[in-house]
Amino acid sequence: QQQVKQSPQSLIVQKGGISIINCAYENTAFDYFPWYQQFPGKGPALLIAIRPDVSEKKEGRFTISFNKSAKQFSLHIMDSQPGDSATYFCAASRDSGGSNYKLTFGKGTLLTVNP
Amino acid sequence: DTGVSQDPRHKITKRGQNVTFRCDPISEHNRLYWYRQTLGQGPEFLTYFQNEAQLEKSRLLSDRFSAERPKGSFSTLEIQRTEQGDSAMYLCASSRGQGRSTEAFFGQGTRLTVV
Repeated sequence: QQQVKQSPQSLIVQKGGISIINCAYENTAFDYFPWYQQFPGKGPALLIAIRPDVSEKKEGRFTISFNKSAKQFSLHIMDSQPGDSATYFCAASRDSGGSNYKLTFGKGTLLTVNP
Repeated sequence: DTGVSQDPRHKITKRGQNVTFRCDPISEHNRLYWYRQTLGQGPEFLTYFQNEAQLEKSRLLSDRFSAERPKGSFSTLEIQRTEQGDSAMYLCASSRGQGRSTEAFFGQGTRLTVV
């Protein structure tokens, strides 16, 4: 059972464009939703995260939009740059109730930003 | 460098051999996780430590796998009698143990190839 579904699998955008990656989750106990960026041969790096008490969080060119009723969240990368070319993973965890806080990841989106 | 450190970065082993990986978490983090990532997939949870206590193990962690975290500091992951299906990137992550912070920071991973 895939608890976090991510789309698209790959995405190509032009420099300066907007990249949008979507995720949907099933477990309503999830209450922490981070996005990770991973370059080839490297570990995932935390990019931005949101909790369900807000519908949007922005950090620089990166914005998370969160829709609790639809159980969906998305990553928007504004003014996409070639250096943003990487694999992006959404994830979710239960951050309360004495859980172990383990992350459940989506399958990833390979983003290519053309110059 | 105060990030999560993993050693070795790469390991090539023959089928049937035992291998051991080490993870040094961020010093003030008392939660430590092991994940496994195969090509084109997101990281999958293997096991979780809070301080020295191993609190959860995934069904992915067969009895050929064992993890320890003596004294709640560094951790080791051992795979006995390796199989070709064990070939993957093994990632270690750590996070703080207080408040609502689930921010998990990953190491660079250990790439295991079983030949």
